[in-house]
Amino acid sequence: EAQVTQNPRYLITVTGKKLTVTCSQNMNHEYMSWYRQDPGLGLRQIYYSMNVEVTDKGDVPEGYKVSRKEKRNFPLILESPSPNQTSLYFCASSLSWGDQPQHFGDGTRLSIL
Amino acid sequence: AQSVTQLDSQVPVFEEAPVELRCNYSSSVSVYLFWYVQYPNQGLQLLLKYLSGSTLVKGINGFEAEFNKSQTSFHLRKPSVHISDTAEYFCAVSSTDKLIFGTGTRLQVFP
Repeated sequence: EAQVTQNPRYLITVTGKKLTVTCSQNMNHEYMSWYRQDPGLGLRQIYYSMNVEVTDKGDVPEGYKVSRKEKRNFPLILESPSPNQTSLYFCASSLSWGDQPQHFGDGTRLSIL
Repeated sequence: AQSVTQLDSQVPVFEEAPVELRCNYSSSVSVYLFWYVQYPNQGLQLLLKYLSGSTLVKGINGFEAEFNKSQTSFHLRKPSVHISDTAEYFCAVSSTDKLIFGTGTRLQVFP
């Protein structure tokens, strides 16, 4: 089954404790992206990757890091999480950029205390 | 700069009634337009997309949308909604280097 898998689905942690949210897709998609969803703000793009070893900042990259060492994986790293990063996070992938629809994971709800 | 405006944050409607969810965008370049649906505790799913050609686009679950270039709108419609259509709906605009989502419209269908 074609899918985007995120882990964990839920995480409660404390300020400053490094964490990684994994994202994996099995569709051989070139394009991958991370979004955060906050009430009243819709989805905002954090980082995206056009292909392996190619990443770029989205609209809200501060406090986040990503890497794309393999085509299928695109982890999101919070080196020193803060409470303002409490949010619902989505990973998405698409065959290419622009006219191709995004396939979304089921989301990761992060709470930073 | 591009932007997407979903004018209604919530739309309550009775079952079997028609519904329209409004989306306006601004862009100085050609765009691709999408509508996504998000059911509770799930990720977003594609409802329909406009890339080019016919301005009336049909999607899944009986939804359709009309691209209006002069009004820069891409409103989503369904002639008769069902309880199971209760969800959040997002309009999105893609151009050469950005994908921008609207803030979402929560459709609540009542029996």
